[in-house]
Amino acid sequence: LAKTTQPISMDSYEGQEVNITCSHNNIATNDYITWYQQFPSQGPRFIIQGYKTKVTNEVASLFIPADRKSSTLSLPRVSLSDTAVYYCLALTSSGSARQLTFGSGTQLTVLP
Amino acid sequence: EPEVTQTPSHQVTQMGQEVILRCVPISNHLYFYWYRQILGQKVEFLVSFYNNEISEKSEIFDDQFSVERPDGSNFTLKIRSTKLEDSAMYFCASSEELEGSSGAAYNEQFFGPGTRLTVL
Repeated sequence: LAKTTQPISMDSYEGQEVNITCSHNNIATNDYITWYQQFPSQGPRFIIQGYKTKVTNEVASLFIPADRKSSTLSLPRVSLSDTAVYYCLALTSSGSARQLTFGSGTQLTVLP
Repeated sequence: EPEVTQTPSHQVTQMGQEVILRCVPISNHLYFYWYRQILGQKVEFLVSFYNNEISEKSEIFDDQFSVERPDGSNFTLKIRSTKLEDSAMYFCASSEELEGSSGAAYNEQFFGPGTRLTVL
């Protein structure tokens, strides 16, 4: 059974860097790893996407090791408005079956 | 900025009834998805759809579920005979076709605001 796991929750203070890791041990060979942010009662919102090594955009960085069995989302200098649930999403395979699998989600709470 | 829309925002139905949830994806997108999120739990993939057929589906997406793109703009999820455990938020998403030949299947997805389905 494909499993994609993340820490349940993390606390941080404003201005700190936050790193959230996701383990996706059954990731399909040639697909992206994507991270989403979700606020209460809203749909997930795209943060960043990568295939391997490091990707950076204006809001985050994504680190993916060579084996691609995990990925780490890095949020520099978080603010109170970054309090949300963060999900990784990967295409996982189990035998011949493939499906998009969200991680279990990490509730990030940013404290003043 | 273009966005995915979903109707209705809240649907209440009796157990055993059929429901159809509607989505209007972003107009130039070619990939469409349905997800569900039971209250307090993670987002779960149901199905992906491309070129008028299902690309991938999860074990949740059994014979009670079906998807359709009845015209050029709508994408629907039908649940034939609802059960209490179908109560959840249902999200539609769409994405552009990936450029190049990386072999990757899925690009950045844009999610709608969701339909809350309550089965009584």
